[in-house]
Amino acid sequence: AQSVTQLDSQVPVFEEAPVELRCNYSSSVSVYLFWYVQYPNQGLQLLLKYLSGSTLVKGINGFEAEFNKSQTSFHLRKPSVHISDTAEYFCAVSDRRSGGYQKVTFGIGTKLQVIP
Amino acid sequence: DAGITQSPRHKVTETGTPVTLRCHQTENHRYMYWYRQDPGHGLRLIHYSYGVKDTDKGEVSDGYSVSRSKTEDFLLTLESATSSQTSVYFCAISESPGLALQETQYFGPGTRLLVL
Repeated sequence: AQSVTQLDSQVPVFEEAPVELRCNYSSSVSVYLFWYVQYPNQGLQLLLKYLSGSTLVKGINGFEAEFNKSQTSFHLRKPSVHISDTAEYFCAVSDRRSGGYQKVTFGIGTKLQVIP
Repeated sequence: DAGITQSPRHKVTETGTPVTLRCHQTENHRYMYWYRQDPGHGLRLIHYSYGVKDTDKGEVSDGYSVSRSKTEDFLLTLESATSSQTSVYFCAISESPGLALQETQYFGPGTRLLVL
C-alpha cells in the first residue's frame, strides 16, 4: 500500500522569501509523484510531476521539486514567493505499473500563507 | 483549462434525501473520478469509471453510487444523505493511463454539499 505524508499543515512565509513544502511517501514499488495546487474555492490543478529521468522537476509558476529515492521524499520549492502563491498544496503518489487504473493517493495538504 | 463542469456548485439538503451530483466533460477522456475533500483528510476517492458503464469503488464508497451512461457524464448519487456526507465533492478526468501520461488528473471546480 502506498501513503503520502505532508509534514506541515500550514506554512507562513513572507513575500519574496524562499519556501519548501515537504512531502514523504512510502510504497513497495516504484512510483510516480505529483504536486497539485488548489486556490481558494477552486479545484486542484497540476503543478508538476515526476515520472522518470532527471530527479529535479520544474513546474508552473516557478515551482520545482526534487525526487530523492533514498529519502523517499519529493519536496516542493520556490526561491521567491508571491502573494498569489497563497493556496493549498497537495502531494500525490501513484504506483508505477503498466495497464489499467493506478490508484493515486493524496496527502492531506499544506496551506501556504504568503505574508506581505 | 480542461473542460470539466460540475452541477450544482452548491447544495443544501436534508438528512435522508437522495442527492445526485453531475460531472460533465468535453475532453473525451476515458477515466472519470469522484473525490470528496474534508479537512485533515485531503482528497479521498469515492468511485471511478474507466469507460461507459464501467465503474469501480474507491476507498470511501459506502453510501454512494455512480453511473456513466455516456462518455461525457459521470453521476454521483447519495442514496440517503447523512450529515457525515457534508463535504466538497470534486470530479476529475484523465486520459487512458500510459507511461507518458500516467495519472495526470484534471479537476472540476467542486460542489459544496451541506446535509442538515
